[in-house]
Amino acid sequence: AQTVTQSQPEMSVQEAETVTLSCTYDTSESDYYLFWYKQPPSRQMILVIRQEAYKQQNATENRFSVNFQKAAKSFSLKISDSQLGDAAMYFCASKRLNNAGNMLTFGGGTRLMVKP
Amino acid sequence: DGGITQSPKYLFRKEGQNVTLSCEQNLNHDAMYWYRQDPGQGLRLIYYSQIVNDFQKGDIAEGYSVSREKKESFPLTVTSAQKNPTAFYLCASLAVNYGYTFGSGTRLTVV
Repeated sequence: AQTVTQSQPEMSVQEAETVTLSCTYDTSESDYYLFWYKQPPSRQMILVIRQEAYKQQNATENRFSVNFQKAAKSFSLKISDSQLGDAAMYFCASKRLNNAGNMLTFGGGTRLMVKP
Repeated sequence: DGGITQSPKYLFRKEGQNVTLSCEQNLNHDAMYWYRQDPGQGLRLIYYSQIVNDFQKGDIAEGYSVSREKKESFPLTVTSAQKNPTAFYLCASLAVNYGYTFGSGTRLTVV
């Protein structure tokens, strides 16, 4: 079974600065997908970014980028130029390429606070 | 626009009562999922369905039941056997190899 660990229950960042959220995972698979989801106070889960494990290049979506270290099984999220609207819970998740049920496995989440 | 609709947004249950949470999607996704989220916690899988008329238990299925009679619909019933049902419930569907699309959730409270 896959496990996903987010070791930082809470993080804070000053507006306009950069913050990195950590995620490690454990899998015996060679092909899989990794995701970061954002859950703002509205509690709607929003996909922030995804990474395919077979791709060497780190995914980027505007101010959000990942540092994917396959050998270390690490998948951190970097938020640049932090904005007040980035304040939310962030969940890291993984999915095996062909698992029965196609379930995502989620980490416990990191609460990000943005200070004005 | 395609998406997932959960209703109601807030639901109150009396002791011993069964309640049903609705989840409807128009994304033409085959697979659908129900998760429970407790305050400050991650997501725990209750049930999932990969195809109409078939569903499987997740990690915390006790006290819950589901049906999947239509591709678009995956309702969750919280039965009286669920002793601690107060939580936030999220429904999701899967775009294969892309990830989940989530509904906006239902907050269930026991009164």
